[in-house]
Amino acid sequence: GAGVSQSPRYKVAKRGQDVALRCDPISGHVSLFWYQQALGQGPEFLTYFQNEAQLDKSGLPSDRFFAERPEGSVSTLKIQRTQQEDSAVYLCASSWLDEQYFGPGTRLTVT
Amino acid sequence: GDSVTQMEGPVTLSEEAFLTINCTYTATGYPSLFWYVQYPGEGLQLLLKATKADDKGSNKGFEATYRKETTSFHLEKGSVQVSDSAVYFCALSDPFGNSMDSNYQLIWGAGTKLIIKP
Repeated sequence: GAGVSQSPRYKVAKRGQDVALRCDPISGHVSLFWYQQALGQGPEFLTYFQNEAQLDKSGLPSDRFFAERPEGSVSTLKIQRTQQEDSAVYLCASSWLDEQYFGPGTRLTVT
Repeated sequence: GDSVTQMEGPVTLSEEAFLTINCTYTATGYPSLFWYVQYPGEGLQLLLKATKADDKGSNKGFEATYRKETTSFHLEKGSVQVSDSAVYFCALSDPFGNSMDSNYQLIWGAGTKLIIKP
């Protein structure tokens, strides 16, 4: 079966641009997570959905970050007015019970 | 808050050597513990897990035992191969810890790069 997919795989944005990152979870997985991974570091939690409900957004670093999952399947992470410090790999995971399955990530570079 | 600490890399070994990558944790609840692996150019993959004290997770020749008394979950393999070269991450999930918004978010170590030379 298909795993978690993310698009685009790479994104270069000029500082100040808005970006939208897409995640297609494994079909039937209720829970979906977004993480941010800086170079040479472990992932850091951003936000969590259970179906369409965003139950925890405590990890979003600023109000420029926004995530949605309107129909309980595909999710989009949007970053407004990108800054250089937003450069990272953005990981999406969907989960079954306590096991999370990760997509390949989107590498965002802000220039 | 909860945290995971793992040994810094890179760790460089010869093929067939014994591997240990240390991982210790702090948690307020009763966490599940995980090892994930990231091969070059690929996404994170679950390698093994343990959900309670004294459980041993194992997969692909790798093992780790959940030690509550030492708050550790060290990764071991008896004989490594070149194909094991990757970055290894230790992580925990503590959904019933002290957070009011408990969920299964993973809390990660910084990762340990493993290089195996033929």
